[in-house]
Amino acid sequence: QSVLTQPPSVSGAPGQRVTISCTGSNSNIGAGYDVHWYQQLPQRAPKLLMYGDNSRPSGVPDRFSGSKSGTSASLAITGLQAEDEADYYCQSYDVTLNVLFGGGTKVTVL
Amino acid sequence: EVQLVESGGGLVRPGQSLRLSCEASGFTFGNFAMGWVRQAPGRGLEWVSSISGYDGSTQYADSVKGRITVSSDIFKNTLYLQMTSLRAADTAVYYCVKFPNYVVSRSFAYFDSWGQGTLVSVSS
Repeated sequence: QSVLTQPPSVSGAPGQRVTISCTGSNSNIGAGYDVHWYQQLPQRAPKLLMYGDNSRPSGVPDRFSGSKSGTSASLAITGLQAEDEADYYCQSYDVTLNVLFGGGTKVTVL
Repeated sequence: EVQLVESGGGLVRPGQSLRLSCEASGFTFGNFAMGWVRQAPGRGLEWVSSISGYDGSTQYADSVKGRITVSSDIFKNTLYLQMTSLRAADTAVYYCVKFPNYVVSRSFAYFDSWGQGTLVSVSS
């Protein structure tokens, strides 16, 4: 059971907008720690997709956006594309100096 | 270009030990915190350990504390993970990861580079 809770799966048609939630607590996200997101394509290593709640590394399309409020964060994908089909993980930090991951969300493009 | 190349994985029996290595290139290794993240087959990501590039201080997940030691050799640009008393639950792909700063702090507690991973299988 992950400390950060994500929906197991979300799906959408090409061109649609999907969002992935990441719910934590006052010991992690609610304590002001940043939320980061990773994309893991099938059979590949994870890749940093979003850092510092809403900053994109170089090369990440602006179709991806992040937000945070209270003890939760969200990743939005607008204009969903077939290449976006992957597992997505949120990640944060907690007051005990542990790195935390969400359980992961599988995005399916219909 | 940052490259992280893990090695040392394999099949071991419960209770045995194993040392993983991660050879880094494309950046000044000693200037960054490093770590390990694992992923059991069909499961999610789990942080295992981190080591500061500032003072060599280390942190461990509760699931591995006391059984695993992380270390680094800045002259060889290599990160290590010494694993002892291995259990079936340790079976996973182990990824070497790089932090964006030399300390793991509130604003820099994420991984900006990942290796390709090395598989550790623990089975009798």
